[in-house]
Amino acid sequence: ELVLTQSPGTLSLSPGERATLSCRASQSLSNNYLAWYQQKSGQAPRLLIYAVSSRATDISDRFSGSGSGTDFTLTISRLEPEDFAVYYCQHYGGSPRYTFGQGTKLEVK
Amino acid sequence: EVQLLDSGGGLVQPGGSLRLSCAASGFSFSNTGMSWVRQAPGKGLEWVAGIYGSSGAFGTYYADSVKGRLTISRDNPKNTLYLQMSSLRVEDTAVYYCAKALVGALEAWGQGALVTVSS
Repeated sequence: ELVLTQSPGTLSLSPGERATLSCRASQSLSNNYLAWYQQKSGQAPRLLIYAVSSRATDISDRFSGSGSGTDFTLTISRLEPEDFAVYYCQHYGGSPRYTFGQGTKLEVK
Repeated sequence: EVQLLDSGGGLVQPGGSLRLSCAASGFSFSNTGMSWVRQAPGKGLEWVAGIYGSSGAFGTYYADSVKGRLTISRDNPKNTLYLQMSSLRVEDTAVYYCAKALVGALEAWGQGALVTVSS
């Protein structure tokens, strides 16, 4: 069974800084169906990135995704106040069909 | 505009049943794969069930943790997704979200329905 491990668990940064979030898979992904979501407290998740590096509709170009094999990264180039939230990576295609990482909390330093 | 509206949550005793609904609009529902994802209080996201669109002959698939107890279905003329939950356990307590599939991701989400399993 595929496991996605996100690091760090909590990332403390200031507005204007660059954020780099990691997602590591327990086995090399057989496809490029790796996505990233943002979730704010009390809200549903919002899709940011799909297929490793494609931005979802209306997502700022400050968000970018990259990676291959077992190592994937979400980068937020210049943090805005509204970016502080929990971020999840997700893979599609294995068993279970959708696997989520445990999340990275991005908090204000 | 894509909209998903979850409903049907509530308090149920262990061993009980509940049916969640998700009303969809703004896209071609019958052609689109859909899923249910849950989030226990203070925890992360867990996918529980999915159903293909017409190209996948509306096939269904489940996480092992819910197989045999949760059933996903759809009513295409009504643009509605369902999750029938039975033999509920305390550990099924969560917010349940319906979500629209897109290229290996979940593009749009409902607002969530809270299910509390407690005696």
